[in-house]
Amino acid sequence: SQKIEQNSEALNIQEGKTATLTCNYTNYSPAYLQWYRQDPGRGPVFLLLIRENEKEKRKERLKVTFDTTLKQSLFHITASQPADSATYLCAHPLGRDDKIIFGKGTRLHILP
Amino acid sequence: GAGVSQSPRYKVAKRGQDVALRCDPISGHVSLFWYQQALGQGPEFLTYFQNEAQLDKSGLPSDRFFAERPEGSVSTLKIQRTQQEDSAVYLCASSSRTSQILYGYTFGSGTRLTVV
Repeated sequence: SQKIEQNSEALNIQEGKTATLTCNYTNYSPAYLQWYRQDPGRGPVFLLLIRENEKEKRKERLKVTFDTTLKQSLFHITASQPADSATYLCAHPLGRDDKIIFGKGTRLHILP
Repeated sequence: GAGVSQSPRYKVAKRGQDVALRCDPISGHVSLFWYQQALGQGPEFLTYFQNEAQLDKSGLPSDRFFAERPEGSVSTLKIQRTQQEDSAVYLCASSSRTSQILYGYTFGSGTRLTVV
């Protein structure tokens, strides 16, 4: 079955450094991947989408890469700030359905 | 409305009690999704509507779970005879067919259900 793997252990990064989060997917080749941010007590908030034919997508301090050979997406936050501390979720659609499945998420802590 | 609204925000139910969770999606959004999120886990898909049609309910854990969207807008997730393992946050999300690709889903803040 389709599966998304994210390192669910917390990632601690010093403020100002680049945080890199990893998303690996198996048994499926999605047309795109999405990244969401989730704060405690809130629903996920959409950040970025990258399509299978795109190697890289940027939005302000965020950068996402998509390697279909490795079946992996990397999510980078440059010049990280304490306000970037949250859980980051990777997601992709299943087939032609609109529904998407999520990884467990990675908790990111930016240390001041 | 401006966003996806879910109510109640918190619900405590005694084991065996029936509960109903409500979701008001963004006006005009065709697609509506329910997810279950256990503590420390990612959202798990439960069911999906396109307008009033329930297109996929493969994620519903048992026949105690039932969802409806009779007029293609507001949706209700009902859980009968609640069990302790039903304790989780229930998230609702909506999207338009065209915005899902570009803007993802818009989620509500969820209903935290605790079964005691």
